[in-house]
Amino acid sequence: AQSVTQPDIHITVSEGASLELRCNYSYGATPYLFWYVQSPGQGLQLLLKYFSGDTLVQGIKGFEAEFKRSQSSFNLRKPSVHWSDAAEYFCAVGAGAAGNKLTFGGGTRVLVKP
Amino acid sequence: NAGVTQTPKFRVLKTGQSMTLLCAQDMNHEYMYWYRQDPGMGLRLIHYSVGEGTTAKGEVPDGYNVSRLKKQNFLLGLESAAPSQTSVYFCASSLPDAYGYTFGSGTRLTVV
Repeated sequence: AQSVTQPDIHITVSEGASLELRCNYSYGATPYLFWYVQSPGQGLQLLLKYFSGDTLVQGIKGFEAEFKRSQSSFNLRKPSVHWSDAAEYFCAVGAGAAGNKLTFGGGTRVLVKP
Repeated sequence: NAGVTQTPKFRVLKTGQSMTLLCAQDMNHEYMYWYRQDPGMGLRLIHYSVGEGTTAKGEVPDGYNVSRLKKQNFLLGLESAAPSQTSVYFCASSLPDAYGYTFGSGTRLTVV
């Protein structure tokens, strides 16, 4: 069975500083990987996804993520955070099986200091 | 351009009561899902549907039932609510080959 681990429950970063959120997955074949963002009281919005090809993927809001098969990781990065990036971020893995079911990590809450 | 709409947004139930959560999507998506979100546990799949008239169990189906009588609607039922079902419930939908889900804004359910 697939699983996702986000080791950091909370991260505090200063506005303008860089951000990196860690994601490790467990899956036997090439996974489909996703990052979602959830603002307070809202649903989840897709930031980016990786299916195949270039291991560095660009997403919305200036985010990017890098797939590293050897490390079973899909870390999310942003060079310079804005106060509006304060939210909870979820990494997810899909198996590609019927139903497009996704397994989510526990989430990382990002706080942005002025 | 509503996307995925969940009703109600908030609800308080007493233990043993029943209720139905409604999810409606206007994007003609084939697949629909119900997840629950609990602190530190991310989102866990309750049930899902790959088409009208079909449903399947996810990771945490016990205590819930679902129905997909129309393609645009996916109902989640709690027959006898328990405090352990206190959670935020999210509905999502997707196309078969798109993978990116569109999420609703959630239903916050408290069972006392």
